[in-house]
Amino acid sequence: AQSVTQLGSHVSVSEGALVLLRCNYSSSVPPYLFWYVQYPNQGLQLLLKYTSAATLVKGINGFEAEFKKSETSFHLTKPSAHMSDAAEYFCAVSDNNAGNMLTFGGGTRLMVKP
Amino acid sequence: DAGVTQSPTHLIKTRGQHVTLRCSPISGHKSVSWYQQVLGQGPQFIFQYYEKEERGRGNFPDRFSARQFPNYSSELNVNALLLGDSALYLCASRPGIQETQYFGPGTRLLVL
Repeated sequence: AQSVTQLGSHVSVSEGALVLLRCNYSSSVPPYLFWYVQYPNQGLQLLLKYTSAATLVKGINGFEAEFKKSETSFHLTKPSAHMSDAAEYFCAVSDNNAGNMLTFGGGTRLMVKP
Repeated sequence: DAGVTQSPTHLIKTRGQHVTLRCSPISGHKSVSWYQQVLGQGPQFIFQYYEKEERGRGNFPDRFSARQFPNYSSELNVNALLLGDSALYLCASRPGIQETQYFGPGTRLLVL
C-alpha cells in the first residue's frame, strides 16, 4: 500500500521568497514520486517526477525536488516565488515510473503575496 | 494540438440519478484514466483503460463503471448518485501504458 502526506494545506510566501512544499510518502515498494500543479478551473500539470535516476529532480517553472529515502520525503522547492506560482500543488506516488494509478496527497494551496 | 477534452464542463444531478461523463484523449493516445477529486482533497484513482481494456481499478463501488471506445474516447458512468459523488472528475490520457499522462480540465458534478 502507498500513501502520501502533504504537511500544510495552505502555505503563504512573499514574492521573491523561497517556496518549500512538504511531501512525505509511505510505500512498501520502491516509490516513483510526482509533483503536479493545478491552477483554478484547470486540470493537473506535471511539474516533475522522481524515477530513481537522480535524487535531485529539476522540473518546469524553476521548481525542483529532492528524494530523501531516509526521511521518506520528496519536498518541492523554488528559490524565488512569482505571483504566477499561486496554485494548488499535489504530491503523488506510484509503483511504476509512468505514474499509472497515482495515489495523491491532499494538496497544498500556495499563496504568493506581493 | 488539442489537449484532453471532457464534457460536459459542469453538471447538476439529483440523488439516485445516473450520469455519464465523456473524455476525448489527445490524438494518438490509447490509454485513458479517470480520477475523482472531491473539493479540498487530492484526486483519487478510479479506472485506467488501455486499448479498450480495463487495466486498473481503484477502490470505488460498483456504481462506478467505464468503458473505452474504438476511437479511444471514454465514458465514465455513475449509477444511483449520492451526495458524496459531488466532485471534479478528471480524465487523463497517454500514448501508451508507460508514457507520461496529460490531464483534462475535468467535469464538475454537483449532486443535490
